[in-house]
Amino acid sequence: ETGVTQTPRHLVMGMTNKKSLKCEQHLGHNAMYWYKQSAKKPLELMFVYNFKEQTENNSVPSRFSPECPNSSHLFLHLHTLQPEDSALYLCASSQDTNYEQYFGPGTRLTVT
Amino acid sequence: GQSLEQPSEVTAVEGAIVQINCTYQTSGFYGLSWYQQHDGGAPTFLSYNALDGLEETGRFSSFLSRSDSYGYLLLQELQMKDSASYFCAVRDNPGGYNKLIFGAGTRLAVHP
Repeated sequence: ETGVTQTPRHLVMGMTNKKSLKCEQHLGHNAMYWYKQSAKKPLELMFVYNFKEQTENNSVPSRFSPECPNSSHLFLHLHTLQPEDSALYLCASSQDTNYEQYFGPGTRLTVT
Repeated sequence: GQSLEQPSEVTAVEGAIVQINCTYQTSGFYGLSWYQQHDGGAPTFLSYNALDGLEETGRFSSFLSRSDSYGYLLLQELQMKDSASYFCAVRDNPGGYNKLIFGAGTRLAVHP
């Protein structure tokens, strides 16, 4: 248990669906991250929020939309996804971007 | 471009010592981190090297040579529970904030 929780743990959605992934950290951190992890590939950084401000959008398609209402919560809104978006989506947090990151268990997403 | 190279798989027996190498080529470099990820679990932070040399934490040690763009993770007295994937990650600071660039991971299998 790292103090970072993610829900749901598993999600199956069709290409026309809209869904949201939720991340919550109980560590008092100020930076939060979304990563995509595909099989046998490096973790890909998607978005970074530092003190609730988005500081990184790593050329992510607009069908992924992040939201950070406060420093403890991070959402990833999904719509009209493609099958190649199937992956493990990991959330992480850190005290700020200069400190080590703590990861949540991830949401295993399958797009059908 | 940014790239980190590490072996895809390593096999060892209980009680042995194993070294996982990581070479990197990145536009910036502030340090090298190592993370462990068990199947179905979250990546967890193991170590961080900002300066050349060896850092020891219990059975695990990490080494960095900035001049060679090279580091390694050394695992001693291997146990079955050490079977996991191990990721090296370069900490860069492209826009005034830190970000991690991950390797593809090394899958370690420990056998009796």
